[in-house]
Amino acid sequence: QKEVEQDPGPLSVPEGAIVSLNCTYSNSAFQYFMWYRQYSRKGPELLMYTYSSGNKEDGRFTAQVDKSSKYISLFIRDSQPSDSATYLCAMNNAGNMLTFGGGTRLMVKP
Amino acid sequence: SAVISQKPSRDICQRGTSLTIQCQVDSQVTMMFWYRQQPGQSLTLIATANQGSEATYESGFVIDKFPISRPNLTFSTLTVSNMSPEDSSIYLCSVTLSYEQYFGPGTRLTVT
Repeated sequence: QKEVEQDPGPLSVPEGAIVSLNCTYSNSAFQYFMWYRQYSRKGPELLMYTYSSGNKEDGRFTAQVDKSSKYISLFIRDSQPSDSATYLCAMNNAGNMLTFGGGTRLMVKP
Repeated sequence: SAVISQKPSRDICQRGTSLTIQCQVDSQVTMMFWYRQQPGQSLTLIATANQGSEATYESGFVIDKFPISRPNLTFSTLTVSNMSPEDSSIYLCSVTLSYEQYFGPGTRLTVT
Protein backbone atom coordinates (compact mmCIF):
# COMPACT_ATOMS: atom_id res chain seq x y z
CA GLN A 1 0.00 0.00 0.00
CA LYS A 2 1.31 3.44 -0.93
CA GLU A 3 1.72 5.98 1.85
CA VAL A 4 -0.39 8.48 -0.07
CA GLU A 5 -3.21 7.43 -2.36
CA GLN A 6 -4.75 9.70 -4.98
CA ASP A 7 -7.19 8.85 -7.73
CA PRO A 8 -5.39 9.48 -11.04
CA GLY A 9 -8.54 10.49 -12.91
CA PRO A 10 -8.96 11.96 -15.40
CA LEU A 11 -11.74 13.98 -13.82
CA SER A 12 -13.80 15.85 -16.38
CA VAL A 13 -16.21 18.59 -15.28
CA PRO A 14 -18.11 21.41 -16.99
CA GLU A 15 -17.01 24.99 -16.49
CA GLY A 16 -18.47 26.46 -13.32
CA ALA A 17 -18.69 23.15 -11.47
CA ILE A 18 -17.34 22.58 -7.98
CA VAL A 19 -14.40 20.21 -8.10
CA SER A 20 -13.40 17.92 -5.24
CA LEU A 21 -9.94 16.38 -5.25
CA ASN A 22 -8.92 13.97 -2.51
CA CYS A 23 -6.02 12.08 -0.99
CA THR A 24 -5.81 9.50 1.74
CA TYR A 25 -2.68 8.68 3.67
CA SER A 26 -1.52 6.04 6.10
CA ASN A 27 1.28 7.75 8.06
CA SER A 28 -0.17 9.45 11.13
CA ALA A 29 3.12 11.37 11.57
CA PHE A 30 2.30 13.63 8.62
CA GLN A 31 1.65 17.15 9.86
CA TYR A 32 2.02 19.44 6.86
CA PHE A 33 -0.20 19.10 3.81
CA MET A 34 0.20 20.73 0.44
CA TRP A 35 -1.58 20.88 -2.87
CA TYR A 36 0.32 21.53 -6.07
CA ARG A 37 -0.99 22.32 -9.53
CA GLN A 38 1.07 21.16 -12.47
CA TYR A 39 0.36 22.26 -16.00
CA SER A 40 1.63 20.13 -18.84
CA ARG A 41 5.36 20.54 -19.36
CA LYS A 42 5.74 22.79 -16.29
CA GLY A 43 6.99 22.35 -12.74
CA PRO A 44 4.54 21.93 -9.83
CA GLU A 45 3.17 25.19 -8.44
CA LEU A 46 2.32 25.38 -4.73
CA LEU A 47 -1.40 26.17 -4.36
CA MET A 48 -2.26 25.56 -0.75
CA TYR A 49 -0.37 24.73 2.41
CA THR A 50 -2.03 23.63 5.64
CA TYR A 51 -0.77 22.45 8.98
CA SER A 52 -3.70 21.49 11.15
CA SER A 53 -7.05 19.83 10.70
CA GLY A 54 -9.79 22.08 9.38
CA ASN A 55 -10.33 24.28 6.36
CA LYS A 56 -8.19 26.90 4.68
CA GLU A 57 -9.59 29.10 1.98
CA ASP A 58 -7.80 31.09 -0.72
CA GLY A 59 -10.00 32.59 -3.38
CA ARG A 60 -11.77 29.81 -5.25
CA PHE A 61 -9.68 27.14 -3.52
CA THR A 62 -10.41 25.47 -0.18
CA ALA A 63 -8.11 22.92 1.40
CA GLN A 64 -9.54 20.59 4.01
CA VAL A 65 -7.63 18.30 6.35
CA ASP A 66 -9.16 15.57 8.51
CA LYS A 67 -6.32 14.01 10.47
CA SER A 68 -8.60 11.60 12.32
CA SER A 69 -9.61 10.05 8.99
CA LYS A 70 -6.23 10.65 7.32
CA TYR A 71 -8.01 12.36 4.48
CA ILE A 72 -7.35 15.64 2.72
CA SER A 73 -9.33 17.46 0.07
CA LEU A 74 -9.01 20.38 -2.30
CA PHE A 75 -12.19 22.07 -3.47
CA ILE A 76 -12.25 24.37 -6.48
CA ARG A 77 -15.32 26.58 -6.83
CA ASP A 78 -16.52 28.02 -10.13
CA SER A 79 -13.99 25.92 -12.03
CA GLN A 80 -12.48 27.41 -15.17
CA PRO A 81 -10.85 25.82 -18.23
CA SER A 82 -7.59 27.36 -16.98
CA ASP A 83 -7.86 25.06 -13.94
CA SER A 84 -7.26 22.08 -16.22
CA ALA A 85 -4.05 20.55 -14.90
CA THR A 86 -2.75 17.73 -12.76
CA TYR A 87 -3.21 18.29 -9.03
CA LEU A 88 -0.75 16.66 -6.66
CA CYS A 89 -1.19 16.32 -2.94
CA ALA A 90 1.95 16.18 -0.82
CA MET A 91 2.66 15.86 2.86
CA ASN A 92 5.44 15.50 5.38
CA ASN A 93 6.25 15.49 9.05
CA ALA A 94 8.67 17.83 10.77
CA GLY A 95 11.41 16.76 8.35
CA ASN A 96 11.68 18.18 4.88
CA MET A 97 11.06 15.16 2.68
CA LEU A 98 7.71 15.37 0.95
CA THR A 99 5.65 12.33 0.08
CA PHE A 100 3.53 12.88 -3.01
CA GLY A 101 0.32 11.39 -4.22
CA GLY A 102 0.25 10.18 -7.79
CA GLY A 103 -1.69 13.21 -9.02
CA THR A 104 -5.20 13.68 -10.37
CA ARG A 105 -5.64 14.98 -13.89
CA LEU A 106 -8.48 17.51 -14.06
CA MET A 107 -10.17 18.69 -17.25
CA VAL A 108 -12.61 21.60 -17.10
CA LYS A 109 -14.62 21.83 -20.30
CA PRO A 110 -16.01 25.15 -21.53
CA SER B 1 7.94 32.39 -2.13
CA ALA B 2 11.02 31.39 -4.11
CA VAL B 3 11.77 31.90 -7.78
CA ILE B 4 13.70 29.01 -9.22
CA SER B 5 15.22 28.76 -12.68
CA GLN B 6 16.71 25.74 -14.39
CA LYS B 7 18.96 25.30 -17.38
CA PRO B 8 18.54 23.78 -19.86
CA SER B 9 14.77 23.65 -20.10
CA ARG B 10 15.03 20.63 -22.36
CA ASP B 11 17.61 18.54 -24.15
CA ILE B 12 17.91 15.51 -26.37
CA CYS B 13 21.03 13.47 -25.64
CA GLN B 14 22.73 10.39 -26.99
CA ARG B 15 23.01 7.34 -24.78
CA GLY B 16 26.31 7.07 -22.95
CA THR B 17 26.77 10.82 -22.63
CA SER B 18 26.24 13.05 -19.58
CA LEU B 19 24.15 16.16 -19.00
CA THR B 20 24.53 18.72 -16.24
CA ILE B 21 21.41 20.57 -15.12
CA GLN B 22 21.73 23.88 -13.32
CA CYS B 23 19.38 25.25 -10.69
CA GLN B 24 19.42 28.86 -9.50
CA VAL B 25 17.28 30.24 -6.64
CA ASP B 26 16.57 33.88 -5.87
CA SER B 27 16.94 33.32 -2.11
CA GLN B 28 19.59 31.73 0.06
CA VAL B 29 18.35 28.29 1.10
CA THR B 30 19.90 25.61 3.24
CA MET B 31 18.49 22.59 1.48
CA MET B 32 17.89 21.96 -2.19
CA PHE B 33 16.25 18.87 -3.57
CA TRP B 34 16.43 17.11 -6.90
CA TYR B 35 13.42 15.14 -8.16
CA ARG B 36 12.68 13.02 -11.19
CA GLN B 37 9.25 12.83 -12.79
CA GLN B 38 8.85 10.12 -15.37
CA PRO B 39 6.11 10.47 -17.99
CA GLY B 40 2.66 10.31 -16.42
CA GLN B 41 4.11 9.67 -12.97
CA SER B 42 4.43 11.57 -9.74
CA LEU B 43 7.67 12.96 -8.33
CA THR B 44 10.47 10.81 -6.99
CA LEU B 45 13.15 12.35 -4.79
CA ILE B 46 16.66 11.69 -6.08
CA ALA B 47 18.74 13.46 -3.44
CA THR B 48 18.95 16.30 -0.94
CA ALA B 49 21.81 18.76 -1.32
CA ASN B 50 23.09 20.86 1.56
CA GLN B 51 25.66 23.54 0.97
CA GLY B 52 29.11 22.45 2.13
CA SER B 53 28.37 18.75 2.52
CA GLU B 54 27.83 15.65 0.44
CA ALA B 55 24.40 15.14 -1.01
CA THR B 56 22.15 12.51 0.56
CA TYR B 57 20.75 10.06 -1.98
CA GLU B 58 17.48 8.17 -1.79
CA SER B 59 17.23 4.45 -2.27
CA GLY B 60 17.80 3.52 -5.88
CA PHE B 61 19.93 6.56 -6.71
CA VAL B 62 23.73 6.68 -6.46
CA ILE B 63 26.31 9.40 -6.60
CA ASP B 64 28.19 7.90 -9.55
CA LYS B 65 25.08 8.12 -11.69
CA PHE B 66 23.72 11.43 -10.34
CA PRO B 67 26.59 13.54 -8.98
CA ILE B 68 25.42 16.78 -7.38
CA SER B 69 27.26 19.97 -6.61
CA ARG B 70 26.16 22.66 -4.16
CA PRO B 71 28.80 25.38 -4.21
CA ASN B 72 26.71 28.07 -2.48
CA LEU B 73 23.31 28.79 -0.95
CA THR B 74 21.59 29.75 -4.22
CA PHE B 75 22.92 27.27 -6.77
CA SER B 76 23.15 23.54 -7.42
CA THR B 77 23.84 21.21 -10.32
CA LEU B 78 22.69 17.68 -11.03
CA THR B 79 24.56 15.57 -13.58
CA VAL B 80 22.90 12.61 -15.23
CA SER B 81 25.84 10.37 -16.19
CA ASN B 82 26.23 7.64 -18.78
CA MET B 83 22.66 8.15 -19.88
CA SER B 84 20.32 5.47 -21.16
CA PRO B 85 16.80 5.82 -22.57
CA GLU B 86 15.46 4.91 -19.10
CA ASP B 87 16.79 8.27 -17.87
CA SER B 88 14.34 10.12 -20.11
CA SER B 89 12.38 12.14 -17.65
CA ILE B 90 11.72 15.59 -16.24
CA TYR B 91 14.26 16.63 -13.63
CA LEU B 92 13.14 19.21 -11.09
CA CYS B 93 14.99 21.10 -8.45
CA SER B 94 13.16 22.26 -5.35
CA VAL B 95 13.76 24.33 -2.23
CA THR B 96 12.05 24.76 1.12
CA LEU B 97 11.26 28.19 2.55
CA SER B 98 9.38 28.45 5.85
CA TYR B 99 8.12 24.85 5.54
CA GLU B 100 6.75 25.52 2.05
CA GLN B 101 8.38 23.70 -0.83
CA TYR B 102 8.79 25.28 -4.25
CA PHE B 103 9.77 23.75 -7.56
CA GLY B 104 11.63 24.91 -10.59
CA PRO B 105 10.15 24.64 -14.09
CA GLY B 106 11.96 21.37 -14.78
CA THR B 107 14.39 20.08 -17.36
CA ARG B 108 12.87 17.72 -19.91
CA LEU B 109 15.47 15.14 -20.90
CA THR B 110 15.12 12.73 -23.77
CA VAL B 111 17.80 10.10 -24.28
CA THR B 112 18.02 8.45 -27.68
